[in-house]
Amino acid sequence: DIVMTQSPDSLAVSLGARATINCRSSQSVLYTSNYRNYFAWYQQKPGQPPKLLIYWASTRESGVPDRFSGSGSGTDFTLTISSLQAEDVAIYYCQQYHSPPYTFGQGTKLEIK
Amino acid sequence: QVHLVESGGGVVQPGRSLRLSCAASGFSFGTYGMHWVRQAPGQGLEWVAAIWFDGSDKYYSDSVRGRFTISRDTSKNMLYLQMSSLRAEDTAVYFCARDRGDCTGTMCYFFDSWGQGTLVTVSS
Repeated sequence: DIVMTQSPDSLAVSLGARATINCRSSQSVLYTSNYRNYFAWYQQKPGQPPKLLIYWASTRESGVPDRFSGSGSGTDFTLTISSLQAEDVAIYYCQQYHSPPYTFGQGTKLEIK
Repeated sequence: QVHLVESGGGVVQPGRSLRLSCAASGFSFGTYGMHWVRQAPGQGLEWVAAIWFDGSDKYYSDSVRGRFTISRDTSKNMLYLQMSSLRAEDTAVYFCARDRGDCTGTMCYFFDSWGQGTLVTVSS
């Protein structure tokens, strides 16, 4: 199984500041046949289901604010929130969809400092 | 607007069975693969099972293979998860989720819409 490891486990950032969350996969999730990283980011607010933010490592889902961006390739990925808003308080999960089982990271809890 | 509503959760004794349902609306259900994803209380997310748009292929995590069965009834826009031989470690909120579905004719295995979830508690 591909193990997804996020860092940090929790993060406190001031309003308007940049937040960065990292995720590392135990194996590459890049398919060289199409040069796509089979990697996604989700946001989960308390009492709600997860919401897809980013897929193919860097493609923003429709309706997701452009302050959210994804980067990285192979085994190392980053979710960046350029200017933190109060509504961004949530747990963020990474996921690989390269190989079954389709595994998630343990989550990073983002709070306001 | 995509709408997924799970039902069927509850408290069940270890070793017993339970069937979860997911009612889908707002999209062409028969053209999308579907998944079940679970979340134990206070824990992270675990993919459980997937089914192709036409039900022709099904996939399971190792932790449920042989005990859980995913199925769908396209005529009713319904997704199901039949769970048997339940264990305490199956206690979780079970989410129904839609596959993104634009990965060169097959499933993508990431999830663009989710239901609110239904809680299954396995306890004596």
